[in-house]
Order: sequence, then C-alpha cells, then structure tokens
Amino acid sequence: AQSVAQPEDQVNVAEGNPLTVKCTYSVSGNPYLFWYVQYPNRGLQFLLKYITGDNLVKGSYGFEAEFNKSQTSFHLKKPSALVSDSALYFCAVRETGFQKLVFGTGTRLLVSP
Amino acid sequence: EADIYQTPRYLVIGTGKKITLECSQTMGHDKMYWYQQDPGMELHLIHYSYGVNSTEKGDLSSESTVSRIRTEHFPLTLESARPSHTSQYLCASSERDNTEAFFGQGTRLTVV
Repeated sequence: AQSVAQPEDQVNVAEGNPLTVKCTYSVSGNPYLFWYVQYPNRGLQFLLKYITGDNLVKGSYGFEAEFNKSQTSFHLKKPSALVSDSALYFCAVRETGFQKLVFGTGTRLLVSP
Repeated sequence: EADIYQTPRYLVIGTGKKITLECSQTMGHDKMYWYQQDPGMELHLIHYSYGVNSTEKGDLSSESTVSRIRTEHFPLTLESARPSHTSQYLCASSERDNTEAFFGQGTRLTVV
C-alpha cells in the first residue's frame, strides 16, 4: 500500500534563510508526488508535482522540490523564506494505476521575522 | 471559472441528527475524494470515487456514506451524527492520476 511520511511536525526558520520540509514515500510502482499548502480555515492549495522527467521541480511562490528515487524522498525547498510562508504543508502520493491520493501527516512551517 | 464547492462551511448539529455535506465541482473531473482532517491537522482519506456509480472506502473507517450519481456531485451523509464525528471534512477532485487534486474550502462540523 502506498504511504507518505513527513518526519517533522514543525519546522522553524528565520526569514531570509533557506527552508526544507521533508517527505519520504513508499509505493510498489512509480509514484506521482505532490506538495500542498494549507492556511488557517482553508482548503489545500496545490504547490507543485513530480510526474516524470527532471528530478528538480519548480512550483508556485518560489518553492521547489527534488525527487530522489534511491532515497524515496521528495523534499520541499525554498532558497529564502518569507513570514507569509508560515502555514501547514502536506506531501501526497498517488501510485500509478491506483486511484487513491494519500497524504502525509503534515508539517507546520513557522517563519520568524 | 472552474472550481469545487462545499456547503455548508460551518455546521453545528445535535447528536442523532442526519446530515449531508455537499460537494460539487464544475471541472468535469472523474476522480473525487473526501478527507477528514483532525484538529491536529492530519488528513485521512475516508471515501473516493473514480466515476459515476463508483465509490470506495478509504483508509480511515468512517460511519459516513457517499454517492456519485452525477459526475459533478459527491455528497457525504451521516445517518446519525455523534460528537466523535466533529471534524473538518475536505472534498477534492482530480482529472487524472498524474494531475493535481483541487480542494474545496472544507466543512467544519461540530456535533453537540
């Protein structure tokens, strides 16, 4: 069965510093990987996805993620954090040929001024 | 503009009542999902559908039921609400396996 792990409940970073939010996955076949962000009392907003091709994926708001097949990871990164990036971040995986979209437990990002 | 809509946004209801949470999308997506989100933020898949007249249970056992009679509509029903059903419910849809899912704003349900 497909699964996703986000090992950090919370990540703290100072504004202007680079940030990384970690995600590892487990699937039997090939994965489709996604990152979403959630602001208070809102639904999830799509940030970026990996389907195939280049391992470095660029998305919205300056975020990017690197797909690493050998480490089964898909970490979210941003070179310079903003206070407005503070939110909940979710990693998700869908295994090719399967219908379910499964999410990790979420990571709270807190960017301090 | 294509979008996904959930109603109501907030609902407070008494124990034992029957409720239906509505979810509609205008994008013509075949795949639709219901997630239950804990106060502590974790998302649990409770139901999904990959087309009209197809529904499957998700990873988290739920006393709710769903139906998919029309492509655009995926309502979730609780026959008898209990305080343990208090949660946020998020509906989503996607076009294909390799496309992102679009989420509604969610319904925050409180059962008293």
